Amino acid sequence: SQQGEEDPQALSIQEGENATMNCSYKTSINNLQWYRQNSGRGLVHLILIRSNEREKHSGRLRVTLDTSKKSSSLLITASRAADTASYFCATDREETSGSRLTFGEGTQLTVNP
Amino acid sequence: GAGVSQTPSNKVTEKGKYVELRCDPISGHTALYWYRQSLGQGPEFLIYFQGTGAADDSGLPNDRFFAVRPEGSVSTLKIQRTERGDSAVYLCASSFIRNSPLHFGNGTRLTVT
Repeated sequence: SQQGEEDPQALSIQEGENATMNCSYKTSINNLQWYRQNSGRGLVHLILIRSNEREKHSGRLRVTLDTSKKSSSLLITASRAADTASYFCATDREETSGSRLTFGEGTQLTVNP
Repeated sequence: GAGVSQTPSNKVTEKGKYVELRCDPISGHTALYWYRQSLGQGPEFLIYFQGTGAADDSGLPNDRFFAVRPEGSVSTLKIQRTERGDSAVYLCASSFIRNSPLHFGNGTRLTVT
């Protein structure tokens, strides 16, 4: 069953703008990860944030985690047309530690040139 | 190869037939996962291998689904008596150790007619 819920389901922006995607989850986690998927391809890992971390940066990506609200956000700054893809959050839940990631339903991001 | 390889990339089969989907993980990765992804959804966990053994097969939907990893490297997902509802993209992922980020293949698109 899906643990995470992303919003929005779809987001369309202009090149150069920032894109923010949100993820909520239900149970206690060890870490939360964000993945990207281009159409017809597999998922690519972007960033991992542990349950004791609040914010993490990687290049143009910024991830926040609020365990009290069971939510995370992914910010992509200065977006590019090549950022067009689906973005998924995935949780490594304490109860199933390491044996699986539980994915949300994803946000479809379109960056218009 | 450098990444996770899945074959075939596409498989069309008739209802009731048997299919095998193959996954070649990244060399040296001890953990291997199978996921299933329906259109517009996030990946859904099926099974996790640590080495040769299935450490968690709780995501397999029913006993028509079975997976093996006899030598701790290549894995095969086997589906008996296929049904139209089995149509989906089957994704394989591997990781160096449990709890580390997943590396996905491009998937096998299974269509049951």
